[in-house]
Amino acid sequence: DSGVTQTPKHLITATGQRVTLRCSPRSGDLSVYWYQQSLDQGLQFLIQYYNGEERAKGNILERFSAQQFPDLHSELNLSSLELGDSALYFCASSGGVGEITGELFFGEGSRLTVL
Amino acid sequence: GENVEQHPSTLSVQEGDSAVIKCTYSDSASNYFPWYKQELGKGPQLIIDIRSNVGEKKDQRIAVTLNKTAKHFSLHITETQPEDSAVYFCAASDRRRRALTFGSGTRLQVQP
Repeated sequence: DSGVTQTPKHLITATGQRVTLRCSPRSGDLSVYWYQQSLDQGLQFLIQYYNGEERAKGNILERFSAQQFPDLHSELNLSSLELGDSALYFCASSGGVGEITGELFFGEGSRLTVL
Repeated sequence: GENVEQHPSTLSVQEGDSAVIKCTYSDSASNYFPWYKQELGKGPQLIIDIRSNVGEKKDQRIAVTLNKTAKHFSLHITETQPEDSAVYFCAASDRRRRALTFGSGTRLQVQP
């Protein structure tokens, strides 16, 4: 158990809809990262937050947004969903900020299916 | 930004044999290279990492080597066991984007 909790584990929705994925980081970790894993693909970095502030942005679509709340949990909002958004979305946390020189702890992911 | 390429995409070995997975990276400023193991239905989990000031690191049956000049690093698993079957990802730290850039993964299957 990594200590990172993601909900929901599975989500099925229709094109055009909006969903919110939630992540609770490990106790004490201030950094939260979001990654997307499509079928047979690697992990694509979306966005990082540190203590409530956005710190780094990857290949995140404009239809996607995220935030980190004062209690350090984070939410990833996906809107105007398309079939190609179907993927596993992982949240990871770490204690550091800026350059990564230590372990990222991953949750078990939220599997999104867009029909 | 950083680009990480990983080979092979699939690897099948007999139990007891060794397995080698290779990665190359593009950003010469990258200084941290972890390897993650992802089992079915789970999130990736760190198994070993290496920093740019070290050429090799070993942890029991797992070892990683780094060649900074050639910008490649490799994962070596000796005496493979069926429980080693999983998807393995290499990664490199991307100083500009402050995130790990992952390779595309290698599906390792260890045949009993």
